[in-house]
Amino acid sequence: TQLLEQSPQFLSIQEGENLTVYCNSSSVFSSLQWYRQEPGEGPVLLVTVVTGGEVKKLKRLTFQFGDARKDSSLHITAAQPGDTGLYLCAGVGYYGGSQGNLIFGKGTKLSVKP
Amino acid sequence: DTAVSQTPKYLVTQMGNDKSIKCEQNLGHDTMYWYKQDSKKFLKIMFSYNNKELIINETVPNRFSPKSPDKAHLNLHINSLELGDSAVYFCASSQVWQGNYGYTFGSGTRLTVV
Repeated sequence: TQLLEQSPQFLSIQEGENLTVYCNSSSVFSSLQWYRQEPGEGPVLLVTVVTGGEVKKLKRLTFQFGDARKDSSLHITAAQPGDTGLYLCAGVGYYGGSQGNLIFGKGTKLSVKP
Repeated sequence: DTAVSQTPKYLVTQMGNDKSIKCEQNLGHDTMYWYKQDSKKFLKIMFSYNNKELIINETVPNRFSPKSPDKAHLNLHINSLELGDSAVYFCASSQVWQGNYGYTFGSGTRLTVV
């Protein structure tokens, strides 16, 4: 069974601070995706990383895929209250040599206080 | 236009009843999914379906059955509802099955079994 461990589970910071969320696994994934979910809504895709070592930037958000394709990180610079939400990493796993469905981590609940 | 729409948004029902949740996507995607999000916000795959193959997560009770009248619809039917079925159910779609493409989620159906 492929699992994704996210840390920290909860994060409460002040506006302007930087933060990093980690997503780790003992399994190799063909890609990792990051989603953000707000209360009462479904997850919304932020980014997909496919190549080991890949770095993608989305405004103040920086996403990195580990060289071995087993882990990823999300770094937010100068967090703002609008960044508040549940951040989910998700991996496309392998089943019997074929790519399978999207497997989610348990999420990081971020609260940014003004 | 809503890309993935689910109805109803909220569903409160008694134990033992049978209920259905409807899902429609207007993105022209090939594959649709049902996920269950528990009280701790953990998203778990229930089914994936791409009009050629249905993959069922082996942990899903057979009281749950997906029904797809066409490529744009994947409904979820639940028989003999139990208290433990209370959760938020999300429908999602993606462009290609078994690929590294992002999923588009609906806004969820909060099911409460009393």
